[in-house]
Amino acid sequence: DAGVTQSPTHLIKTRGQQVTLRCSPKSGHDTVSWYQQALGQGPQFIFQYYEEEERQRGNFPDRFSGHQFPNYSSELNVNALLLGDSALYLCASSSGYAASPLHFGNGTRLTVT
Amino acid sequence: EDQVTQSPEALRLQEGESSSLNCSYTVSGLRGLFWYRQDPGKGPEFLFTLYSAGEEKEKERLKATLTKKESFLHITAPKPEDSATYLCAVQGNQFYFGTGTSLTVIP
Repeated sequence: DAGVTQSPTHLIKTRGQQVTLRCSPKSGHDTVSWYQQALGQGPQFIFQYYEEEERQRGNFPDRFSGHQFPNYSSELNVNALLLGDSALYLCASSSGYAASPLHFGNGTRLTVT
Repeated sequence: EDQVTQSPEALRLQEGESSSLNCSYTVSGLRGLFWYRQDPGKGPEFLFTLYSAGEEKEKERLKATLTKKESFLHITAPKPEDSATYLCAVQGNQFYFGTGTSLTVIP
């Protein structure tokens, strides 16, 4: 039973560039959420997708956007990268829109230089 | 404002020395409280969900409890392999995570 998979595992970008991160949810899950985790901090909620629509959004600028596909996989796009965007980006999947535990992938480590 | 505070930030224990980690929270409309374990370079691994005050869950050397304002993760006779960062999260209208407790268990 495959868990949450994310790609790539590591990425180095230059300030001002754009990046796309990808996530496949755990089998049987239909809801995908994205989190940003800075070093030594807890994950910060970016947004959640359910039925191919953004359902909730955290306190992140419009430079952060996403998409969910019919097979429930998801992408996170970040435009106009800033140095402060360097972080571990975590994808989490869950079953249904209501309360259920999040299951995380191992993340994409993004470094912006 | 919804928030989660974990203490202590770091904890060093001798193998076999039991202790507790604290998670205090304020949230509008608590749907659930979750504990996760995170190893370096990995994503958080789900441990427990607690839904109502008085509820307890156990798994091996770990026991989680919940009151109306805080949760405790009790670690009994820890082993070096229990070394990790333990994250607490609450779900209101979204998930809010604490900054974690970094646990080191010394052989």
